[in-house]
Amino acid sequence: EIVLTQSPGTLSLSPGERATLSCRASQSVTSDYLAWYQQKPGQAPKLLIYGASNRATGIPDRFSGSGSGTDFTLTISRLEPDDFAVYYCQQYGSSPPMCSFGQGTKLEIK
Amino acid sequence: QVQLVESGGGVVQPGRSLRLSCAASGFSFSSFGIHWVRQAPGKGLEWVAVISNDSKNKYYADSVKGRFTISRDNSRNTLYLQMNSLRPEDTAVYYCARLYGGTWFVDYWGQGTLVTVSS
Repeated sequence: EIVLTQSPGTLSLSPGERATLSCRASQSVTSDYLAWYQQKPGQAPKLLIYGASNRATGIPDRFSGSGSGTDFTLTISRLEPDDFAVYYCQQYGSSPPMCSFGQGTKLEIK
Repeated sequence: QVQLVESGGGVVQPGRSLRLSCAASGFSFSSFGIHWVRQAPGKGLEWVAVISNDSKNKYYADSVKGRFTISRDNSRNTLYLQMNSLRPEDTAVYYCARLYGGTWFVDYWGQGTLVTVSS
């Protein structure tokens, strides 16, 4: 089973700043099979990035994803008040067919 | 619009069973695979199981394998999760979640149903 470790656990930043969130896999992940989600309190998660670097429909271009192998990054270029939430990475694979999420990074207002 | 509505949650004693349902509308249910994903109170997301659109393929997390069964009825546009031998650590909000295209990513989630396993 592939374990995803996200860092930092909590990130304190101000609106307008740049956020860099990390997702590290215990073994290599196919980039096509890596996604990022945003979850706000009391809400279901929302797909932001799929295939490591592709923005989902309606996601603003201040969100970007990158990485390969075992290291992936979600970058939010200029934080807006609505961006403060918890972010999760997700991967899935075919051998064996399994799926896992990282433990999350909480992005909070400084 | 796409809607996924879970039901069947509640309080159950350890060792007992519970069946969750997820009613889908606003899309061609029989064309999409569906996950169950859970979230313990104040904790992160945990994948539980996935079923293909035609029920031919079903996969489970190790933590629930042998205890939980995912199934679907395409004629009723409904997904199920039969949960047996429940444990306190199964306490969570359970979400059904539609697979995005041919991937295991999720583009639509339900609002979740809370399962509490406690004596």
